[in-house]
Amino acid sequence: DVVMTQSPLSLPVTLGQPASISCRSSQSLVYSDGKIYLHWFQQRPGQSPRRLISMVSNRDFGVPDRFSGSGSGTDFTLKISRVEAEDVGVYYCMQGTHWFTFGQGTKLEIK
Amino acid sequence: EVHLVESGGGLVQPGGSLRLSCAASGFTFSSSWMTWVRQSPERGLEWVANIKPDGTETYYMDSVRGRFTISRDNAKNSLYLQMSSLRAEDTAMYYCARDPGDRAVDYLGQGTLVTVSS
Repeated sequence: DVVMTQSPLSLPVTLGQPASISCRSSQSLVYSDGKIYLHWFQQRPGQSPRRLISMVSNRDFGVPDRFSGSGSGTDFTLKISRVEAEDVGVYYCMQGTHWFTFGQGTKLEIK
Repeated sequence: EVHLVESGGGLVQPGGSLRLSCAASGFTFSSSWMTWVRQSPERGLEWVANIKPDGTETYYMDSVRGRFTISRDNAKNSLYLQMSSLRAEDTAMYYCARDPGDRAVDYLGQGTLVTVSS
């Protein structure tokens, strides 16, 4: 199985400051069609996960532009340009190239 | 607006069975791959199974293959997960989810809790 490793696991951030989450896969996520099926999810307290970013860098409908994704091969990053209170929650990366596996989650909290 | 509502969870003894249902609305269900995802504190998020729009192809994670069966009724906009030979490690919140066609899910329901315990 492809293992997705996120860091940090806990991320205290001051309101208005940037935040960055890293996700590393144990294998290249380039699929046979040449595309990279790496996605990011947000899970707010008491809610189900919601997708933020698809295919490395495409924001889903309604996702604020302060969220951005980047990366290639085995290393990927989710960035929040200015953290707001509503961003508190757990963030997961997920790969869909080799079956489907999720990272262990990064808990973002306000400092 | 995509809306997914799961039901059927509950407490079941090891070795028992349970059938989860998901009612879908707000999108063309019959054209969408559908997925069950589960979440537990011990194992995190896990992709359990998915099914092709016409129901002719199904895929399962290794630990549930042979015990769980995913199915759908496009006339009723409904997705199902029949679970048998349940084990303690199947205890989790089970989410119904839509696959938008990019080898992921985008919308998940609120989930239904399955607890396997004697």
